[in-house]
Amino acid sequence: EAGVAQSPRYKIIEKRQSVAFWCNPISGHATLYWYQQILGQGPKLLIQFQNNGVVDDSQLPKDRFSAERLKGVDSTLKIQPAKLEDSAVYLCASSNGQLSNEQYFGPGTRLTVT
Amino acid sequence: AQRVTQPEKLLSVFKGAPVELKCNYSYSGSPELFWYVQYSRQRLQLLLRHISRESIKGFTADLNKGETSFHLKKPFAQEEDSAMYYCVSSNFGNEKLTFGTGTRLTIIP
Repeated sequence: EAGVAQSPRYKIIEKRQSVAFWCNPISGHATLYWYQQILGQGPKLLIQFQNNGVVDDSQLPKDRFSAERLKGVDSTLKIQPAKLEDSAVYLCASSNGQLSNEQYFGPGTRLTVT
Repeated sequence: AQRVTQPEKLLSVFKGAPVELKCNYSYSGSPELFWYVQYSRQRLQLLLRHISRESIKGFTADLNKGETSFHLKKPFAQEEDSAMYYCVSSNFGNEKLTFGTGTRLTIIP
């Protein structure tokens, strides 16, 4: 089966600019996650969707970050305006939502804010 | 809040030697523990989970609730084991994963 797809793979922007990331999960996976991985740290969950509804966005900086999952399939994560500390790899993952089910990760988008 | 501690950022082991990657977690509810691995130029992927009690690629991990530990072990290291390893926890019934900071394992030929 095709894996989780993400684009772009790399993005360089200046601070205060906007950026958007796209994720296409594995077909049939109801649950979609966005993680932020800062250099030297483990991934940190930003937001979790179940179909097109938000399950957990407690660690999403809502003043500048937003995410949506239209029609319960693809998802976009946006940062507006970006700050230097947003430089990180943004990972998308999906699962079929069953208990203790494995999460499948995409290749990530490496964002550099200058 | 869940917390996962991996005390070693870097670990180098000779080929054929035993490997142990340490992991401790904070206890909250009914924990589920996993090891995820990222090989060079590959995606982050599940290596094993404690409820399966299985050995994957020669690796095993035992959940020790008394010591709140979930160390990853392999008796004889192979060069292809070189990778970044993350210890991960969640609460049973909750899909939210909490990652440790990771240990980069390098196998010396």
